Amino acid sequence: KQEVTQIPAALSVPEGENLVLNCSFTDSAIYNLQWFRQDPGKGLTSLLLIQSSQREQTSGRLNASLDKSSGRSTLYIAASQPGDSATYLCAVWNSGNTPLVFGKGTRLSVIA
Amino acid sequence: EAGVAQSPRYKIIEKRQSVAFWCNPISGHATLYWYQQILGQGPKLLIQFQNNGVVDDSQLPKDRFSAERLKGVDSTLKIQPAKLEDSAVYLCASSTGQGYGYTFGSGTRLTVV
Repeated sequence: KQEVTQIPAALSVPEGENLVLNCSFTDSAIYNLQWFRQDPGKGLTSLLLIQSSQREQTSGRLNASLDKSSGRSTLYIAASQPGDSATYLCAVWNSGNTPLVFGKGTRLSVIA
Repeated sequence: EAGVAQSPRYKIIEKRQSVAFWCNPISGHATLYWYQQILGQGPKLLIQFQNNGVVDDSQLPKDRFSAERLKGVDSTLKIQPAKLEDSAVYLCASSTGQGYGYTFGSGTRLTVV
């Protein structure tokens, strides 16, 4: 059974810092991995999708990497801003017709 | 492209009452999912539909929860009777089922008092 772990559970940083959020998964036979952002009381917004054949994806100040063999992904946020404050969720997909399995998320606070 | 639509956004009910949530997925997305997210936790799958057939409902508490997807498009999730522990955000998502990722709706926040 796939399990996803995110470390740290919460993180508080001053504005402008670069930061890394970690995600690990127990079954390395994944189809793809997706990072989401969730603002309080809101739904999930997709940030980056990494297919199993890819090593990384970039969007603006966000960069996500994937190492399937070690069961790990990292989300790198450059030059953090207060608007980045949210919960970041990592989820993995084991095949085209199976559901996403989520971690518990990392709650990020960027202090101005 | 229109996103995944959900309603209502918020609902407060008393325990033992019933409640229903509605979801309209992205046009052409064959796969539809309902997730439950309890405060401080990641979303947990309740049920997965492929067109109008159920693919996985192993984690759906069938004594009180039910879901249907008519004509392979819209879906409703019902809770009857509700318990205090059902307080959560209920998220609907859809995908093509071909590895191109999920799109989530804004969710329905349910509070059972």
